[in-house]
Amino acid sequence: SYVLTQPPSVSVAPGKTAKISCGGNNIGRKSVHWYQQKPGQAPVLAMYYDGDRPSGIPDRFSGSNSGNTATLTISRVEAGDEADYYCQVWDSSSDPPYVFGSGTKVTVL
Amino acid sequence: EVQLLESGGGLTQPGGSLRLSCAASGFTFSSYAMTWVRQAPGKGLEWVSDISGSSGRTNYADSVKGRFTVSRDNSKNTLHLQMSSLRADDTAVYYCAKTVYGGSYHIDYWGQGTLVTVSS
Repeated sequence: SYVLTQPPSVSVAPGKTAKISCGGNNIGRKSVHWYQQKPGQAPVLAMYYDGDRPSGIPDRFSGSNSGNTATLTISRVEAGDEADYYCQVWDSSSDPPYVFGSGTKVTVL
Repeated sequence: EVQLLESGGGLTQPGGSLRLSCAASGFTFSSYAMTWVRQAPGKGLEWVSDISGSSGRTNYADSVKGRFTVSRDNSKNTLHLQMSSLRADDTAVYYCAKTVYGGSYHIDYWGQGTLVTVSS
């Protein structure tokens, strides 16, 4: 089965930039989606098809995907960005077809 | 406004059964595949099962295959997950989710989740 690797945690000062990586074999050939989950809440779609932002997600959020790493970047980090972030891919030839990364806890210092 | 409201969670003993339901509104339910994702306490997201809009295709994670059955009633805009032979490691919040396909499936809306606890 396909494996997505995320760092367990990322710490960032307010106003700085946070980069959350999602590693996978040739992940650049797949579409990567990202979810934000705040404590006690359901996940929310944060980025889809590598770099498309859903309505309601600030333009401080951006995404990229190339080679073996996809990245979710949060610029000008705010306290409200503190959350767990999960990457996800879908592959019809994979079992399971939906794969989530293990999640990254973003802490705003 | 898309709304997904799960119900049916609760406490059950190992070997027991539960049926989760998800009432959907705000979109044409039959046009979209739906999925179940679970999250064990303090853990990450785990895909459980999905079903096509017409119910013609279902998929399951190996961890639940043979024990869980996903179904939907498009006339009632409702998604179900029948869970049997429950084990302690099935304890989790179960989320109902709407999926979108555009070359790849992703989840654009999530329910608030329902907690399933398997314990003696």
